[in-house]
Amino acid sequence: EVQLQESGPGLVKPSQSLSLTCSVTGYSITSNYWGWIRKFPGNKMEWMGYISYSGSTSYNPSLKSRISITRDTSKNQFFLQLNSVTTEDTATYYCARYSISSPHWFAYWGQGTLVTVSS
Amino acid sequence: DIVLTQSPALAVSLGQRATISCRASQSVSISRYNLMHWYQQKPGQQPKLLIYRASNLASGIPARFSGSGSGTDFTLTINPVQADDIATYYCQQSRESPYMYTFGAGTKLELK
Repeated sequence: EVQLQESGPGLVKPSQSLSLTCSVTGYSITSNYWGWIRKFPGNKMEWMGYISYSGSTSYNPSLKSRISITRDTSKNQFFLQLNSVTTEDTATYYCARYSISSPHWFAYWGQGTLVTVSS
Repeated sequence: DIVLTQSPALAVSLGQRATISCRASQSVSISRYNLMHWYQQKPGQQPKLLIYRASNLASGIPARFSGSGSGTDFTLTINPVQADDIATYYCQQSRESPYMYTFGAGTKLELK
């Protein structure tokens, strides 16, 4: 069964970059679509972006100038980088695999990792 | 962007029916596809897919969960509610795929 696991620093300073890794087992990231979603304190959820089986990406327009999603197919991992973070980027970050047929719903989720932006 | 509106909370008794609504600011249906999906999230856990394309039960989800709706109005029904169903429920639309996806603010299901 497909499993996803986020990892990365739990604390980032304002103006720095947030970098997270999603390690996938049980399924190749060269198939399907893979996304990042975050949940803010107060429960609002925001789609951040995805990387496809071919390596193409799509980003939330509100983040487009700060976000980058990349991958390492040899390690079956994909990555999130968010630049110039502020305290408003404090959230739990989830990686997820989309539905098999097309990028519409999120069929599998990682456990999530809390990232706090604070000096 | 398409805005999804959910009631913040719903109180229900065990064994009764729970009806959770989600209203979209514009239609999320394309021809015969209703691009609304539902998730359950319990505290400390990741979201779990319940329903996809408005009415299709995800793998392993009990039949007491069902979904309906089209256009701008969608409903998640739990009947009968069990103690294990106490959680927050989110709707999510993919009408603007692959450029944008949005979630509702969540409905917290509570025991009456």
